[in-house]
Amino acid sequence: SAVISQKPSRDICQRGTSLTIQCQVDSQVTMMFWYRQQPGQSLTLIATANQGSEATYESGFVIDKFPISRPNLTFSTLTVSNMSPEDSSIYLCSVGSGLTYEQYFGPGTRLTVT
Amino acid sequence: QKEVEQNSGPLSVPEGAIASLNCTYSDRGSQSFFWYRQYSGKSPELIMSIYSNGDKEDGRFTAQLNKASQYVSLLIRDSQPSDSATYLCAVSWDGNQFYFGTGTSLTVIP
Repeated sequence: SAVISQKPSRDICQRGTSLTIQCQVDSQVTMMFWYRQQPGQSLTLIATANQGSEATYESGFVIDKFPISRPNLTFSTLTVSNMSPEDSSIYLCSVGSGLTYEQYFGPGTRLTVT
Repeated sequence: QKEVEQNSGPLSVPEGAIASLNCTYSDRGSQSFFWYRQYSGKSPELIMSIYSNGDKEDGRFTAQLNKASQYVSLLIRDSQPSDSATYLCAVSWDGNQFYFGTGTSLTVIP
């Protein structure tokens, strides 16, 4: 499986600011995904990021709040904009394996908004 | 609304016993089923995938799928303390969208 890294691993941010999370993969992948995992909760898909097209957002998530870039087949960013304490969560990127539909997760970014 | 339900636990088993984790899903069109293990403070790790009815074995892990009953399970044989984690069931109907259950916390008691 691909090796996935995320930056930053954690951050503490002030209300009203924005944070951009980077996801880097060591091989080319078609499908990348961004998830949120709130404390004690399961994973919720934010959006699917495919290279060369606009990200597809799930219900409850909007581009103005969570803009995503996918400039190439090994890299994606998720920005959490105008943050509030409710955005405190772990943000995870994952990559799809194609034919098997398996997904592999990066180590996550733990975000705390004060 | 596609839903994935898991017995929330927590589930405790003695070392060496069989741990049984269960998952049901609402969408009959679901095609792909996955079990992830998540240690505290870590990201989910894929441990099993299953696509057709029946059993799939990988070492101490066996996944069981029954599409007619919309049920998928994970058996862990000879449970070890290192198996203590939260186990997440994930279901996909199109290969893009994964729906995760809320997870079952497993503790293996030495």
